[in-house]
Amino acid sequence: GEDVEQSLFLSVREGDSSVINCTYTDSSSTYLYWYKQEPGAGLQLLTYIFSNMDMKQDQRLTVLLNKKDKHLSLRIADTQTGDSAIYFCAELTPDNTDKLIFGTGTRLQVFP
Amino acid sequence: NAGVTQTPKFQVLKTGQSMTLQCAQDMNHNSMYWYRQDPGMGLRLIYYSASEGTTDKGEVPNGYNVSRLNKREFSLRLESAAPSQTSVYFCARGPHGEQYFGPGTRLTVT
Repeated sequence: GEDVEQSLFLSVREGDSSVINCTYTDSSSTYLYWYKQEPGAGLQLLTYIFSNMDMKQDQRLTVLLNKKDKHLSLRIADTQTGDSAIYFCAELTPDNTDKLIFGTGTRLQVFP
Repeated sequence: NAGVTQTPKFQVLKTGQSMTLQCAQDMNHNSMYWYRQDPGMGLRLIYYSASEGTTDKGEVPNGYNVSRLNKREFSLRLESAAPSQTSVYFCARGPHGEQYFGPGTRLTVT
């Protein structure tokens, strides 16, 4: 079955790098996504990676994909207090229905 | 929220009452979705609609019905609300996995 797992909390100091990890079980997923949710708001798409890529960089964000281990990570360089939010990874189901399976979310807290 | 609106923002219901959550998009995308978000459980798909006139069950459809009235609008109905339906409800539109979410409806059932 499909299951996406994340650790619940991460706390980092402002200016440090943050690494949020995710594991998934459906190796045939073609796309994997990272979403951000700020307090009281809906989810916002941050970035995504195609399954034939190992890495994708977008400004302060770096996504790493280890398909063999079904492991996805999001690295945020120079973490700022505005990065404090809940981060969700999600995988696109491979059944052509355009459905996403979301992880439980990682709450990132950035302290000065 | 990338052109996805939801009403109402907040609602309190008594057990057994009914209500409809409204969602509309302004981008004319085929796919639309309804999720619920509960603490520690991420987002779970209730129903989705791949195109106008079609709807399909997601992971947690029991107790809900949906209507894809036209390409813009996708409503979620609770016929007889239960306390287990206390949650935050999000509507989203496609395309594909690049989903764009509304601001959510916070529903409490007492």
